[in-house]
Amino acid sequence: AQTVTQSQPEMSVQEAETVTLSCTYDTSESDYYLFWYKQPPSRQMILVIRQEAYKQQNATENRFSVNFQKAAKSFSLKISDSQLGDAAMYFCAYRRRDNTDKLIFGTGTRLQVFP
Amino acid sequence: DVKVTQSSRYLVKRTGEKVFLECVQDMDHENMFWYRQDPGLGLRLIYFSYDVKMKEKGDIPEGYSVSREKKERFSLILESASTNQTSMYLCASKGTGFLVDTQYFGPGTRLTVL
Repeated sequence: AQTVTQSQPEMSVQEAETVTLSCTYDTSESDYYLFWYKQPPSRQMILVIRQEAYKQQNATENRFSVNFQKAAKSFSLKISDSQLGDAAMYFCAYRRRDNTDKLIFGTGTRLQVFP
Repeated sequence: DVKVTQSSRYLVKRTGEKVFLECVQDMDHENMFWYRQDPGLGLRLIYFSYDVKMKEKGDIPEGYSVSREKKERFSLILESASTNQTSMYLCASKGTGFLVDTQYFGPGTRLTVL
């Protein structure tokens, strides 16, 4: 069975600095998707970034980028130029490339941003 | 933009009550999901549905049932609520097709069972 591990329950960063959130996963599949979701205090989960396993290039969305290491089964999220609005719970998620659409989530990392 | 709405943000029920949580999406998505979120456990899938009247068990279906009579609406039912079902419940929907692999979430319902 696939599992997703986020080993950092809490992280903090100074405004304008860079922070990296860690995620590792376990799977025997070769093709799959990986996601980072953000859940602000208002609770609506929003997609931050997605990565397709067959693509070697790391995904980037503005200030958010990932470091995808397929062999190591690692999928970290880097937030550059952190802003106060980045404070939230961040969840890493895995999905097999099949028709079940089932997401497997990690336990989350709470990110605090200090001015 | 995709919009997923849930019937209540906060709900307080008593042990043994039958509880209905409703979710509606406006993007004609085929797939809908119910998760519960607990501190330290992340999100866990309860049930999902890939078509009207179709349902599949997720990882923690015990104590729950679901109903999908219309494509846009997916209901989670607690037949006899118990205190260990106190949690945050999140609904999500997703379309199907090439390159469509993102789930969109509702705002969540915080359920307290006394």
